[in-house]
Amino acid sequence: EVQLVESGGGLVQPGGSLRLSCSASGFTFSTYTMHWVRQAPGRGLEYVSTISGNGGSTYYADSLKGRFTISRDNSKNTLYLQMSSLRTEDTAVYYCVKDLGYSSNFWGQGTLVTVS
Amino acid sequence: QSALTQPASVSGSPGQSITVSCKGTTSDVGGYNYVSWFQQHPGQGPKLMIYDVSNRPSGVSNRFSGSKSGNTASLTISGLQAEDEADYYCTSYTSSATYVFGTGTKVTVL
Repeated sequence: EVQLVESGGGLVQPGGSLRLSCSASGFTFSTYTMHWVRQAPGRGLEYVSTISGNGGSTYYADSLKGRFTISRDNSKNTLYLQMSSLRTEDTAVYYCVKDLGYSSNFWGQGTLVTVS
Repeated sequence: QSALTQPASVSGSPGQSITVSCKGTTSDVGGYNYVSWFQQHPGQGPKLMIYDVSNRPSGVSNRFSGSKSGNTASLTISGLQAEDEADYYCTSYTSSATYVFGTGTKVTVL
């Protein structure tokens, strides 16, 4: 059974940093492209970032470049999102997502980041 | 990358058909057959309903169908049921190798 469990969310002051983690199980983690997607309270889904299976390629939403860094540790089956220079508008539930545009798509339960 | 444009709300009576549109550009919707649709009920995570423009994942009702014409993708729900009331989001692969989501549409069953 596929499982994605996010952690690391919480309350952080503007200008601060936070690292989110996503622990994956139930599939061969290293062979899948992974993504982060966020959703601000009462708002829509927003694409954040993508990383290839071997970690060699990373992509970001234009609005977040330079502040967020996606990475992965395939030996630990874990996806990360390092967030810095956080702003109040970064307040959102952050979802770890497997295969965003494919039939094998799967979402974690999300972790709430509050910047205040 | 600007969000794909969806109507804020669409409504229909039980049994009717409704269509939700998703307008993009040649750099996303129009350039690739990689459009997906997600359903999200309040307090829940998104659920994949359509991928690659018109394909349904296993377990999704055949009342849901997708299509694309030019830069606009569409999700059609036929035989509308009370359980279909939810928010719907389209997403597309882009020329920057990223993804972009739509603005979201609230579907109401009257």
